[in-house]
Amino acid sequence: DVKVTQSSRYLVKRTGEKVFLECVQDMDHENMFWYRQDPGLGLRLIYFSYDVKMKEKGDIPEGYSVSREKKERFSLILESASTNQTSMYLCASSSGLLQGALDYGYTFGSGTRLTVV
Amino acid sequence: SQQGEEDPQALSIQEGENATMNCSYKTSINNLQWYRQNSGRGLVHLILIRSNEREKHSGRLRVTLDTSKKSSSLLITASRAADTASYFCATDASGNNRLAFGKGNQVVVIP
Repeated sequence: DVKVTQSSRYLVKRTGEKVFLECVQDMDHENMFWYRQDPGLGLRLIYFSYDVKMKEKGDIPEGYSVSREKKERFSLILESASTNQTSMYLCASSSGLLQGALDYGYTFGSGTRLTVV
Repeated sequence: SQQGEEDPQALSIQEGENATMNCSYKTSINNLQWYRQNSGRGLVHLILIRSNEREKHSGRLRVTLDTSKKSSSLLITASRAADTASYFCATDASGNNRLAFGKGNQVVVIP
């Protein structure tokens, strides 16, 4: 069964810590995405990547960075965690054209609920 | 940026009834997708409809798309308690290589 695996389901970190959220997919997908989900705000795109070592900013990249050294792994980094980064973080991957329409759905991980205290 | 907007935001129905959700969007799209999210979990892809399609079926799901009104509807027939979840529409805008999700639509199916 193909899947996207996020390394932690629940995480508690202290303000100012550097936090790494890991995501691995086994479907040989080109595209990978990081979203955060907050009540009343839906899903907001943080960063995405269409290829190894490639990254693009989404709608809310401030306070975050990403790394994609291998095709199957896409890491989200909180450089200095703050309480307003307490959220559910969702990783997703998809196949599809590099340019143009995405013809296939996303496969999501189970999410990481991060609490920053 | 968020583009899909689901309406209504919360729906409570009896098992066996049909559930209908609507989604509107603002810009032209290549396709529109619907996802389900069970409480505290990731999203699961349900169905994709392309901009040149008007209706699509998958099991108990029926999706319609009206590009002139920039709207879509998701119908779940003969609902079950296991259909209790949040449902999101997501659009792939023309020339844009990523999905924009709506805020979600909570459906509760009462056994």
